[in-house]
Amino acid sequence: SQKIEQNSEALNIQEGKTATLTCNYTNYSPAYLQWYRQDPGRGPVFLLLIRENEKEKRKERLKVTFDTTLKQSLFHITASQPADSATYLCAPPFRRTGGSYIPTFGRGTSLIVHP
Amino acid sequence: EAQVTQNPRYLITVTGKKLTVTCSQNMNHEYMSWYRQDPGLGLRQIYYSMNVEATDKGDVPEGYKVSRKEKRNFPLILESPSPNQTSLYFCASSFRTSGGAHEQFFGPGTRLTVL
Repeated sequence: SQKIEQNSEALNIQEGKTATLTCNYTNYSPAYLQWYRQDPGRGPVFLLLIRENEKEKRKERLKVTFDTTLKQSLFHITASQPADSATYLCAPPFRRTGGSYIPTFGRGTSLIVHP
Repeated sequence: EAQVTQNPRYLITVTGKKLTVTCSQNMNHEYMSWYRQDPGLGLRQIYYSMNVEATDKGDVPEGYKVSRKEKRNFPLILESPSPNQTSLYFCASSFRTSGGAHEQFFGPGTRLTVL
């Protein structure tokens, strides 16, 4: 069965450092993978999408890599700030038998940036 | 402002009393979904809709009904709520990009407690 693994333990880092979050998936062959940010009690917010033919994608202080051989995506936040503290969700799509794609979400990793 | 709205935001009810959580989007998106989020389990899809009068089950559809009579609205119906449906519910809408990806836009959430 499909599985998405994200570190369940919170990642604590100091302000200004680079945070790296990991997403591993099994029994998926995603054409793309998305990352979302979720603040407590609020809906997730889309951050970045990376396609299978892209090794790396950047947006301001965010960087995502996608290794389809390792079945892994890494999410980096450089020069982290306390405002970056949130839960980050990895979301590879799952292709249903009928051909449609539905999004599926990992359980997320909590990032805590200390001032 | 582009948004997904849900009502009510908070609801406490009793077992067996039918309820409806409304969801509306103003972005003309074709796709809409309902998720529930529980501690330790992450986001799980309940139902999704590909367009008006087109819905399909997600991962955890038991005990829920949906309808899509208009493009903008996608209500979630609990005919006979039970305590195990106590959860945080999110509605989301999405459009399909030229590459086939779905960027999800989430509502603010509805916190439901069934006593």
